[in-house]
Amino acid sequence: DAGVIQSPRHEVTEMGQEVTLRCKPISGHNSLFWYRQTMMRGLELLIYFNNNVPIDDSGMPEDRFSAKMPNASFSTLKIQPSEPRDSAVYFCASSFTGVNTEAFFGQGTRLTVV
Amino acid sequence: GEDVEQSLFLSVREGDSSVINCTYTDSSSTYLYWYKQEPGAGLQLLTYIFSNMDMKQDQRLTVLLNKKDKHLSLRIADTQTGDSAIYFCAERAGGGNKLTFGTGTQLKVEL
Repeated sequence: DAGVIQSPRHEVTEMGQEVTLRCKPISGHNSLFWYRQTMMRGLELLIYFNNNVPIDDSGMPEDRFSAKMPNASFSTLKIQPSEPRDSAVYFCASSFTGVNTEAFFGQGTRLTVV
Repeated sequence: GEDVEQSLFLSVREGDSSVINCTYTDSSSTYLYWYKQEPGAGLQLLTYIFSNMDMKQDQRLTVLLNKKDKHLSLRIADTQTGDSAIYFCAERAGGGNKLTFGTGTQLKVEL
């Protein structure tokens, strides 16, 4: 398996534009997580899904952020409209659901909003 | 709620031992983890410890858990330049699937 695949690797966009980040989890994994990493706040969990259903979205900062998982092999994180303070590295991770299962991370999408 | 804290930076000389510390608040934590992030990459699991253990050793890595003080540490013996990275501790609370990460400790290994 190629691991968790995120696209794009880098995204530069203008303030106010819509941004869509994509994630393909490892085949067979049924939990998917979106994290945001910044220097100021470290690694924050935004939302996670079990079996394509959002379980905890309490980390989603504002209504400008939305995440979907239409099927077991694809998820998106959308920011509309984007703002400069959204600039960060966004990671997707996947795992099996269980008591102690390893979360595998993608390489991240570095988002810059100018 | 869950809160996990780490110091931000640690600098050691090659060959010395590194000790990275972490404190957490959730007493229902079942598993605690150490992840490593190399520049430009995602996080990779290094090791983990179950909450009913107080020590785990894995080659150059030693994890110590003081459950009473909610303190976790990672010791890297004979630290090498390739160990330079950001190290995150994380906790899994109760029976859930959610991992809460610390802020990360940037380890710099000098020659």
